[in-house]
Amino acid sequence: GAGVSQSPRYKVTKRGQDVALRCDPISGHVSLYWYRQALGQGPEFLTYFNYEAQQDKSGLPNDRFSAERPEGSISTLTIQRTEQRDSAMYRCASSLIRGGENTQYFGPGTRLTVL
Amino acid sequence: QKEVEQDPGPLSVPEGAIVSLNCTYSNSAFQYFMWYRQYSRKGPELLMYTYSSGNKEDGRFTAQVDKSSKYISLFIRDSQPSDSATYLCAMVPSGGYQKVTFGIGTKLQVIP
Repeated sequence: GAGVSQSPRYKVTKRGQDVALRCDPISGHVSLYWYRQALGQGPEFLTYFNYEAQQDKSGLPNDRFSAERPEGSISTLTIQRTEQRDSAMYRCASSLIRGGENTQYFGPGTRLTVL
Repeated sequence: QKEVEQDPGPLSVPEGAIVSLNCTYSNSAFQYFMWYRQYSRKGPELLMYTYSSGNKEDGRFTAQVDKSSKYISLFIRDSQPSDSATYLCAMVPSGGYQKVTFGIGTKLQVIP
């Protein structure tokens, strides 16, 4: 059916506020990835899940960033006490299988602006 | 030094030209190589996926991997204005490893 969806598409928040970004992967996709993409840059890996298990969170910049995927489907990326440097496009991707030829399908992204 | 280096461009070519896009990398563990196309204000979409060294062709697109030189290329034949986009190379170590490292992307403009 539908592709990867993300909400909200745009988020403007004040410094110090917490934000939650949502990703709804393609139905049946095992793996879910979060990336951050600055303007004029490639996606920067943040973290990924297989089913509900967070496999690698080495790309999360600091402990203000966390992610969860409690039921192995929808995922939430939470940024606490936002800072201006957190402003970026946050992208989610999902894939059907683990490893090997692992086609990732990207969502439209959430543009986060921290004032 | 970044693990993956890619010239950001922009690269402008006339319609019908052959386009060559390239990336170099430093991590010899990379085994799987991908090219993504990203239109303005859209998410990346996978164009080509190759494993190890060699060539792979799909329509007007050819991907080449030279592991000995740590160099990958994407060729676009008979380029069209609709090919105007940013092209991102991406790579992964051995199968089963899922953390993808992307290049910065090369912005391509095909002029009618």
